Amino acid sequence: NAGVTQTPKFQVLKTGQSMTLQCAQDMNHNSMYWYRQDPGMGLRLIYYSASEGTTDKGEVPNGYNVSRLNKREFSLRLESAAPSQTSVYFCASRPRQGNTEAFFGQGTRLTVV
Amino acid sequence: RKEVEQDPGPFNVPEGATVAFNCTYSNSASQSFFWYRQDCRKEPKLLMSVYSSGNEDGRFTAQLNRASQYISLLIRDSKLSDSATYLCVVNPGAGSYQLTFGKGTKLSVIP
Repeated sequence: NAGVTQTPKFQVLKTGQSMTLQCAQDMNHNSMYWYRQDPGMGLRLIYYSASEGTTDKGEVPNGYNVSRLNKREFSLRLESAAPSQTSVYFCASRPRQGNTEAFFGQGTRLTVV
Repeated sequence: RKEVEQDPGPFNVPEGATVAFNCTYSNSASQSFFWYRQDCRKEPKLLMSVYSSGNEDGRFTAQLNRASQYISLLIRDSKLSDSATYLCVVNPGAGSYQLTFGKGTKLSVIP
């Protein structure tokens, strides 16, 4: 039972390069999320997808785009990476909205130089 | 007032000690509450949900005080393996898709 799987686990980018972070869940969850975690800032929501076919901005969406490819997969794209996007990125999923917990992937450590 | 506030710590306690964390939330309509544990350089993992009547799981006890808008986590007989950051998480409402995370409280259990 894999749960939430993120790839890659580590990445170094040069300023201005682009990349896509991949996330897949095998729990048949409706909702999926992308967070970033920085020291002293806690987890901040970048984008989320309430259900297949929908995406919405979170607290810090600037510089990012997302795609809910199907029910299982939710990708995060950095079109032109900046040093301020150096962070740890977590994907998460929940069965639905409301009183349900979130399950997290193992994270992607991204460094932009 | 921040949506979810936690004392960042660190809490440094000896093995066997009892330690308590508090978390306050600003949205009185919040529906459900969770404590997550995050080990260094790892993903957050659910420790326990917090129910209105309070709940216990082994050495861990969680309580909710809706009137004062805070939740607590009590760890008894601390183990070295309890060293981690504990995140308070609040669901703002039954129809909400977003969870609100506190910044976490760091616990170090010392031999």
